[in-house]
Amino acid sequence: AQSVSQHNHHVILSEAASLELGCNYSYGGTVNLFWYVQYPGQHLQLLLKYFSGDPLVKGIKGFEAEFIKSKFSFNLRKPSVQWSDTAEYFCAVNALSNNDMRFGAGTRLTVKP
Amino acid sequence: DTGVSQDPRHKITKRGQNVTFRCDPISEHNRLYWYRQTLGQGPEFLTYFQNEAQLEKSRLLSDRFSAERPKGSFSTLEIQRTEQGDSAMYLCASSLQAVSEAFFGQGTRLTVV
Repeated sequence: AQSVSQHNHHVILSEAASLELGCNYSYGGTVNLFWYVQYPGQHLQLLLKYFSGDPLVKGIKGFEAEFIKSKFSFNLRKPSVQWSDTAEYFCAVNALSNNDMRFGAGTRLTVKP
Repeated sequence: DTGVSQDPRHKITKRGQNVTFRCDPISEHNRLYWYRQTLGQGPEFLTYFQNEAQLEKSRLLSDRFSAERPKGSFSTLEIQRTEQGDSAMYLCASSLQAVSEAFFGQGTRLTVV
């Protein structure tokens, strides 16, 4: 079955630590990939996206993600997290074969000041 | 505010009652999605529209759920004979094209008592 997997359920880091959140998907064919962030009490916002081209994409607030097609992965990274990065992070996949958008279960990030 | 808007923001209803939610997408967006999100989970896909056509419905969408987008603009999601298990955040999102990123509304939080 088609799915999006986020293996880290809850990540706790201290400020200035580096972050990597995993995302794997099981769709075949061409996909568009997204990371969304949901700050406490707010709606989902787009962090970054990959459609084609350079597999290393940069988003807002210093986040980046790397698409590795052979591994069906789209991991999110940030070299140095801040307390304000505390939020829930969702990976999403839009498979062009069926055109809907599916989300992973999310990773809750807590950054300690 | 020209983003996606959802109404109401909160709804408390008694089990067995019918409820209807409204979503107004960004005006030029052709694609409209409905998702359901429960605590600690990612958004679960329910259905989507391309203009007024409902193109896909999740198996999660039982016969008690119906969605419409009569003129290709706003959409409604109706739940008949609500059950406690329907308690969740109902999210609406819209996108310009099938392969574009989706923009989310604030959601409607449904509590069935």
